Amino acid sequence: NAGVTQTPKFRVLKTGQSMTLLCAQDMNHEYMYWYRQDPGMGLRLIHYSVGEGTTAKGEVPDGYNVSRLKKQNFLLGLESAAPSQTSVYFCASSPFIRTSGETQYFGPGTRLLVL
Amino acid sequence: GENVEQHPSTLSVQEGDSAVIKCTYSDSASNYFPWYKQELGKGPQLIIDIRSNVGEKKDQRIAVTLNKTAKHFSLHITETQPEDSAVYFCAAKVGTDKLIFGTGTRLQVFP
Repeated sequence: NAGVTQTPKFRVLKTGQSMTLLCAQDMNHEYMYWYRQDPGMGLRLIHYSVGEGTTAKGEVPDGYNVSRLKKQNFLLGLESAAPSQTSVYFCASSPFIRTSGETQYFGPGTRLLVL
Repeated sequence: GENVEQHPSTLSVQEGDSAVIKCTYSDSASNYFPWYKQELGKGPQLIIDIRSNVGEKKDQRIAVTLNKTAKHFSLHITETQPEDSAVYFCAAKVGTDKLIFGTGTRLQVFP
């Protein structure tokens, strides 16, 4: 079991460029989340998904899009990167909350620098 | 909107001493409160959690207490060890699907 994996580990972008961050989980979890972590601000939820084909906005969704075409994958897209999107991005997954618990399992993170 | 306040932002203790981190939440409907530990360069990992029908929960050297009336919950680490050094996050469940995280506490345990 690899758990939650994230690709890439580190990326440098120029302002205006686009990129996609990939999150994959092999635990058959229903729920998946994307967070960003900034100094002094903790973890803030960008978007999340409660199942294949579904997505929902979190606290800070502007400038990001997501897709969950397969249950095991959750993609985070930046259409036109801005310096304010420099951050560490974490993906997490969780089993169906009502029946199997509420623990969120986090990936190792993707460090993104936008110049 | 809903938020979780966490204090202190940094905490330094001598090995063997106790450490306490406190959080306050705003959504009175929250019923699940996990604590995560994040080591350098890694993702957060759950260390303990508590539900609103329980006032206290212990797991070896760590314990969490919950005061629903005051909307406070705290993490207690006893007999701290250098490997306890990390960033700790509290969180509160909002609605049916989401967690709101505190801003984190950097704990340093000095030998």
